[in-house]
Amino acid sequence: DAGVTQSPTHLIKTRGQQVTLRCSPKSGHDTVSWYQQALGQGPQFIFQYYEEEERQRGNFPDRFSGHQFPNYSSELNVNALLLGDSALYLCASSRFAQGNYSPLHFGNGTRLTVT
Amino acid sequence: LAKTTQPISMDSYEGQEVNITCSHNNIATNDYITWYQQFPSQGPRFIIQGYKTKVTNEVASLFIPADRKSSTLSLPRVSLSDTAVYYCLVGDHGPGAGSYQLTFGKGTKLSVIP
Repeated sequence: DAGVTQSPTHLIKTRGQQVTLRCSPKSGHDTVSWYQQALGQGPQFIFQYYEEEERQRGNFPDRFSGHQFPNYSSELNVNALLLGDSALYLCASSRFAQGNYSPLHFGNGTRLTVT
Repeated sequence: LAKTTQPISMDSYEGQEVNITCSHNNIATNDYITWYQQFPSQGPRFIIQGYKTKVTNEVASLFIPADRKSSTLSLPRVSLSDTAVYYCLVGDHGPGAGSYQLTFGKGTKLSVIP
């Protein structure tokens, strides 16, 4: 039973470029959330997708966008990259219908470096 | 969203029991308390979740007093491999909940000493 998988594991981009990160949820999960984790900080919520729609959004600019596909996998897109976007980007999956007991299962993230 | 407060760091010797307390004074009625563990360059890993009283699983116990304004994660007989950052989160995970945003603080960095 595969857990949450993310690709690529590492990425180096130049300021102003665009990047796409990918996530496959744990088998049986239908909800995907994305988090940004800067060095030494806790993960910060970016947004959550369920039924191919953005359901919740954190305090991130519109440069951050996402998509969820019919197979529940998801993409995170970041446009016009800034140096401050350098971080570990984490994807987490869960089961929306599991009620109040639906802990998040995280992937090991994509390390993005913007130069 | 309920905010949490945890100690920034803790040290413990191998074999000791470690208790990490988290304060969440404005916890809401529907909120659950969840603890995650994170190793460097890895995603957080779910440890335990509870609503009230005591919950125990194979790796930890979670103690929640009646007022639910705090919780304590207890790790029995820690080993070097328990060195990690531990996050306490409070939120309503339910479907249709007003907000599913789980707010991570900076967590507690636990260092286990040989």
